Amino acid sequence: DGGITQSPKYLFRKEGQNVTLSCEQNLNHDAMYWYRQDPGQGLRLIYYSQIVNDFQKGDIAEGYSVSREKKESFPLTVTSAQKNPTAFYLCASSWTGTNTEAFFGQGTRLTVV
Amino acid sequence: QKEVEQNSGPLSVPEGAIASLNCTYSDRGSQSFFWYRQYSGKSPELIMFIYSNGDKEDGRFTAQLNKASQYVSLLIRDSQPSDSATYLCAVKTLGGSNYKLTFGKGTLLTVNP
Repeated sequence: DGGITQSPKYLFRKEGQNVTLSCEQNLNHDAMYWYRQDPGQGLRLIYYSQIVNDFQKGDIAEGYSVSREKKESFPLTVTSAQKNPTAFYLCASSWTGTNTEAFFGQGTRLTVV
Repeated sequence: QKEVEQNSGPLSVPEGAIASLNCTYSDRGSQSFFWYRQYSGKSPELIMFIYSNGDKEDGRFTAQLNKASQYVSLLIRDSQPSDSATYLCAVKTLGGSNYKLTFGKGTLLTVNP
């Protein structure tokens, strides 16, 4: 089945530890995105990528890092520099171009204690 | 000024009524506009998108775009309790050679039986 897979669904980490969230897609999409969602809030863009080995900072990139070594994969690392990392993280992908919809993975709920 | 703004609601309508959801955006260069629905704890799913001025209809849903006013709306006719969700407006903008997809905070809609 084609789609976007995020893993794990739930993740618990101790404060001060780096953690990497996985995002894999088999839709052959060029563009991939990472968003953060806090309770009662919309989606805030962390990083996005249009092609392999290239990515851009979104609106809240501080404390996060990404890589795009393969077209199918766009992992997000939440570093210890992120002051308030507990949130719901969503990965999306789309074809490049304007009139192309983004498809979302099921999300990873990260809790830092 | 926030890039994409929506009334946070909550918006409450009776079953069978028309629900009207509004969104404004700040970048006149924005090229395409999306409406997503998100149930609590789930990932967003696309309802429809629009990129030309005017109306676009899909079943009970109508999207309206007015680029001069930088305004996009979603009408839901014959609202059903199952339409109760958060509705997210998203805007795709070309910045350099990359497309950025920015979301509003969402409007919580409740349809009362």
